[in-house]
Amino acid sequence: DAGVTQSPTHLIKTRGQQVTLRCSPKSGHDTVSWYQQALGQGPQFIFQYYEEEERQRGNFPDRFSGHQFPNYSSELNVNALLLGDSALYLCASSGGPGLSYGAFFGQGTRLTVV
Amino acid sequence: AQSVTQLGSHVSVSEGALVLLRCNYSSSVPPYLFWYVQYPNQGLQLLLKYTSAATLVKGINGFEAEFKKSETSFHLTKPSAHMSDAAEYFCAVSDRGFQKLVFGTGTRLLVSP
Repeated sequence: DAGVTQSPTHLIKTRGQQVTLRCSPKSGHDTVSWYQQALGQGPQFIFQYYEEEERQRGNFPDRFSGHQFPNYSSELNVNALLLGDSALYLCASSGGPGLSYGAFFGQGTRLTVV
Repeated sequence: AQSVTQLGSHVSVSEGALVLLRCNYSSSVPPYLFWYVQYPNQGLQLLLKYTSAATLVKGINGFEAEFKKSETSFHLTKPSAHMSDAAEYFCAVSDRGFQKLVFGTGTRLLVSP
């Protein structure tokens, strides 16, 4: 059973560019959340997708947007990249009501903005 | 709003010694609580979770945690540290209606021979 998979694993972009990160949830999971983890910090919640809609959003600007597809996979898009967007981006999937079963994370995408 | 405080950004123990990583939470509603472990350049792995069943929760790799409502704490323990336990540990809280996790700043566990 494949867990949560993310692509690419590493990415280098220039300031002002746009980036798309991808995530496939664990089999049987229908909810995908995205987190940003800056160096030396805990992960910060960006947003959550369920039934192809954004259900919750953290304190991130509109430059961060996402999408969920009918097969439950998801994309995170970041426009007009800033140096401060350099971080590990984590995707987490979950199923069932709330988080009673926990959230399962992928290996992350390391984004470096130069 | 919910929050988590992890006391001690670094904890050092000797192999075979007791591991104690501290976590205190703040929540206006009964919480769900989690411990995750992160190895270098990897994602997060769920160690254990508290979701209102038994207050003493056992997880993987010999770790356990006890939910103490009166102290708003959810400390992580392991009786005997192993070299492979060296990693970053994150405590997280969630309310029961939503799936957003609020993480602490993490504690790096160092294990010496």
